[in-house]
Amino acid sequence: RKEVEQDPGPFNVPEGATVAFNCTYSNSASQSFFWYRQDCRKEPKLLMSVYSSGNEDGRFTAQLNRASQYISLLIRDSKLSDSATYLCVVDLNTDKLIFGTGTRLQVFP
Amino acid sequence: DAGITQSPRHKVTETGTPVTLRCHQTENHRYMYWYRQDPGHGLRLIHYSYGVKDTDKGEVSDGYSVSRSKTEDFLLTLESATSSQTSVYFCAISEGSPQETQYFGPGTRLLVL
Repeated sequence: RKEVEQDPGPFNVPEGATVAFNCTYSNSASQSFFWYRQDCRKEPKLLMSVYSSGNEDGRFTAQLNRASQYISLLIRDSKLSDSATYLCVVDLNTDKLIFGTGTRLQVFP
Repeated sequence: DAGITQSPRHKVTETGTPVTLRCHQTENHRYMYWYRQDPGHGLRLIHYSYGVKDTDKGEVSDGYSVSRSKTEDFLLTLESATSSQTSVYFCAISEGSPQETQYFGPGTRLLVL
């Protein structure tokens, strides 16, 4: 099993739609979870950290399910500018973070 | 945005030549990292540093060396570039530990012919 797994997509959704991505991780002792956003030919940028109780930032909601070892990202009222690749990032309880290969989102008019 | 710059931003070189990539930060963060990103593999850690002159290997360190003589600079050297090292290289920094948020530089696109 891969340490961090994501559906590569692409997810093609119309503007205004709600879309959700999941990411599974293998290490039950992981403590740090993040979603990063990466635009084409750009560097990854932190979208949000994921906390045990779940957290929300505007149209974005992140959740953690420790029992099933996955994190999720929900985007409501999708905008054209949300088109990007979303990277799931998890620590392995060691001195590093593991980055998923990303889920590509394309929002169309 | 975090103050991280990388140089050069683009480089074309030939197999067998040495290449050095530079990462410079103005945040005074303790940890610095070099990653490579290739299609289908995501970001993979090459080397990281936890202080001046303190470095350690990541998962894909073969063929790469690093040096950190100052807090703000982290150099990645390909001693003898190979075509398999064609990639996009990202530098990242974090303040207190590798499990904290990492902030990335703009990347260096390297093509080895």
